[in-house]
This record gives sequence, structure tokens and C-alpha cells, in this order.
Amino acid sequence: GAGVSQSPSNKVTEKGKDVELRCDPISGHTALYWYRQSLGQGLEFLIYFQGNSAPDKSGLPSDRFSAERTGGSVSTLTIQRTQQEDSAVYLCASSLVDQYEQYFGPGTRLTVT
Amino acid sequence: KQEVTQIPAALSVPEGENLVLNCSFTDSAIYNLQWFRQDPGKGLTSLLLIQSSQREQTSGRLNASLDKSSGRSTLYIAASQPGDSATYLCAVSGAQKLVFGQGTRLTINP
Repeated sequence: GAGVSQSPSNKVTEKGKDVELRCDPISGHTALYWYRQSLGQGLEFLIYFQGNSAPDKSGLPSDRFSAERTGGSVSTLTIQRTQQEDSAVYLCASSLVDQYEQYFGPGTRLTVT
Repeated sequence: KQEVTQIPAALSVPEGENLVLNCSFTDSAIYNLQWFRQDPGKGLTSLLLIQSSQREQTSGRLNASLDKSSGRSTLYIAASQPGDSATYLCAVSGAQKLVFGQGTRLTINP
């Protein structure tokens, strides 16, 4: 079956612009996660959605970052007023339910110039 | 705060050898532990998931063990092949999110 998909695969933006990253989880998966992978920090958790519960935003690095999940499926991660330190690969993952095996998408490589 | 450490950071071995990758974590209160592989420029591929109540999992030439009390996991790769070359990441699950180690970059030389 189809895995987790993310778009775009690559995004180059100028400092100060806003960007939106999209994640389509595996159909039927109720849990959705965003992570960021950067050279200096490794892989770090950003935000977690589970069903209709309030999301866990504890990993978001600043208030320039936000995410939403519409209809319990597709999720969008928005970064406002991008900075060069936001350059990283943004990975989305989904799992059937909380604490089960997580399946990752191919990621979006964001470059802020 | 959970911290995950992987040793070694890089490993290069000749084809055909058996090898062990190590992962340690500081907080034993985990739900599960996952091993992933990541090829350059690609996302993460899940290799094995060990629930906290389990001691090991096997898939083909891969065997992962978990010792929660000591905060350790190992990934054993038998009869290594050049196609096994990749970065291997260990991650522990607690409070919904995964906490990752920095990875071991594995190179299998033909």
C-alpha cells in the first residue's frame, strides 16, 4: 500500500519568507508526527497529533512554527519568516495508533538562502 | 530527559563479516525501541521494533536485542553485504515521541 508522502521534496526560499510543508500519512493511521533533521542537531521531535486530541507542540523551536492536521489526515507544517537556521530536512511519520511502529516519509529538504 | 547514544559513530568492515551496532539510553521507562536505516538523501526505513516487554526481534539477517534494565540495545547484522551500507539509527519511544541517537554510519567494503 501507499506509504507516507511529503511535498515538496525540495524547497528553496529566501530568508523572511513563509513556507508550507505537506504530509499525507498512511491511510487509517491516527497518529502523525513531525521531526526535523539537521547537521548539528540530529533528528529532533517537533509536534505530534493523535486523533482529535490537542496536539503535543512541545518540540516546536519557536512561535514561527505551527502545524495543523485537517480531517484527521493531511498535515501542514508552516514556518513563518524563515531564518537560515531553519534549513534542514523535515520528516513526517505516522503510526496506526499511539506508541506503535512509526513509518516515515521521504522528507522535505528546506534551504533558506 | 531521555538521551540516546550510539557507538560507534562510524564503522567500516569487509563484506561477509558479522557486526554489532550499539545503542544506549538513559531512561528505562520506554514503550518500545525502533531501529531504522537511512540511505543518503532519503527518509528513514524501519528495520525492527522491539516492544518494552520483549527481549529481541529478528528479521532476516538482522537481530535486535533490548535490555531495558541496563538501558541497552544491540543490532546484529549477519553476513554483511555492500547493500547494507547506510546510517543506522536507534530510537526509543516514550511520551508519544521518538528520541533518536546520532546514528552509526556503516560502510561494507566489497
